[in-house]
Amino acid sequence: GAGVSQSPSNKVTEKGKDVELRCDPISGHTALYWYRQSLGQGLEFLIYFQGNSAPDKSGLPSDRFSAERTGGSVSTLTIQRTQQEDSAVYLCASSTRTSGGSSTDTQYFGPGTRLTVL
Amino acid sequence: RKEVEQDPGPFNVPEGATVAFNCTYSNSASQSFFWYRQDCRKEPKLLMSVYSSGNEDGRFTAQLNRASQYISLLIRDSKLSDSATYLCVVNRGYNKLIFGAGTRLAVHP
Repeated sequence: GAGVSQSPSNKVTEKGKDVELRCDPISGHTALYWYRQSLGQGLEFLIYFQGNSAPDKSGLPSDRFSAERTGGSVSTLTIQRTQQEDSAVYLCASSTRTSGGSSTDTQYFGPGTRLTVL
Repeated sequence: RKEVEQDPGPFNVPEGATVAFNCTYSNSASQSFFWYRQDCRKEPKLLMSVYSSGNEDGRFTAQLNRASQYISLLIRDSKLSDSATYLCVVNRGYNKLIFGAGTRLAVHP
């Protein structure tokens, strides 16, 4: 079946502009995650959506970052007034569910959006 | 100090070699553990989960030592196709995954 898809695959923008990154999770997956990976670094958790619950925004680096998930499916990550340090690969992942602290379902990652801020 | 620490490598090994990667984590409340594989400019993919009893999947063996907060991955009979970055991953709870920066493996003929 179709995996997680993300668009655009590459985005080049000028400092100070706003950008929107899109994620389409695997159909039926209720949990959706955003991460970013800077060059040579590990993945950094940004935000997590689970069903209709309030999202866990604890990883967002600043108030310039926001995300929403409409209809429990597609998600958009928005970065306002982009800075050069925002340049990274932004990865989205989805999983079937999470039912609490001890539950773990495999997270399937999309191909990522490579963001370059000039 | 990072919550998940790995030797960045690179590990350069010949085909057929056995290679081991180690990882330490700092949060003793961490609940589950994984190794992911990431090819160059690709997304991470789950390689295997890691259990205290140790688990094996073909040429790959993973081990967890909760007391020492230490995770390992052993690859036997390395293939060229094993060349990738191996990410040590810890589930802090509620599926919030914490990733190490990765260990790069290069297998040469």
